Amino acid sequence: DTGVSQNPRHKITKRGQNVTFRCDPISEHNRLYWYRQTLGQGPEFLTYFQNEAQLEKSRLLSDRFSAERPKGSFSTLEIQRTEQGDSAMYLCASSLRTGNDGYTFGSGTRLTVV
Amino acid sequence: GEDVEQSLFLSVREGDSSVINCTYTDSSSTYLYWYKQEPGAGLQLLTYIFSNMDMKQDQRLTVLLNKKDKHLSLRIADTQTGDSAIYFCAEIPTSGTYKYIFGTGTRLKVLA
Repeated sequence: DTGVSQNPRHKITKRGQNVTFRCDPISEHNRLYWYRQTLGQGPEFLTYFQNEAQLEKSRLLSDRFSAERPKGSFSTLEIQRTEQGDSAMYLCASSLRTGNDGYTFGSGTRLTVV
Repeated sequence: GEDVEQSLFLSVREGDSSVINCTYTDSSSTYLYWYKQEPGAGLQLLTYIFSNMDMKQDQRLTVLLNKKDKHLSLRIADTQTGDSAIYFCAEIPTSGTYKYIFGTGTRLKVLA
């Protein structure tokens, strides 16, 4: 297992377009998390899954954002009608059920909305 | 509210010790973490400490926890140029959630 994989690494899109990011977690990890990181800030929680169930969503996750983890393995994060304020690094992480011994993060997808 | 505070910058000379400080808000947090982020990369878990511990040492890293003051520190001994990165502390508040609250990060610059 090569860790948490995120694709694409970079995405440039025009305002108003839809984008979708993919995260492949470590295979034995049943928790998966999405965070957003803007320049000069720490990561902010967006949502997390335990297996295929989405258990918590941040109020940062507006109606334009949707995340899925259909079979409890990989996850997708879709942003509809992108806005310039959506430009950020989107980080995915996974952990075992307890999560207390920390997450494993992917390298992130950097989104630039022009 | 939930807020984790860190100083923004720290500059040290190679071979010196670095101490990165963090103040967290939830006195009931059971686990506290330190992550490292290199440019353009995700976050790498360095170490974590359980709240019933005062200190944890792991090779060049020493974590000190002062629960009374809600203060966490990370000491890096014999700092190397490869330690230059942004360091984040994080807590999991005991509000029935498993999300991290991250600090804003401390940018460590190691001068040769």
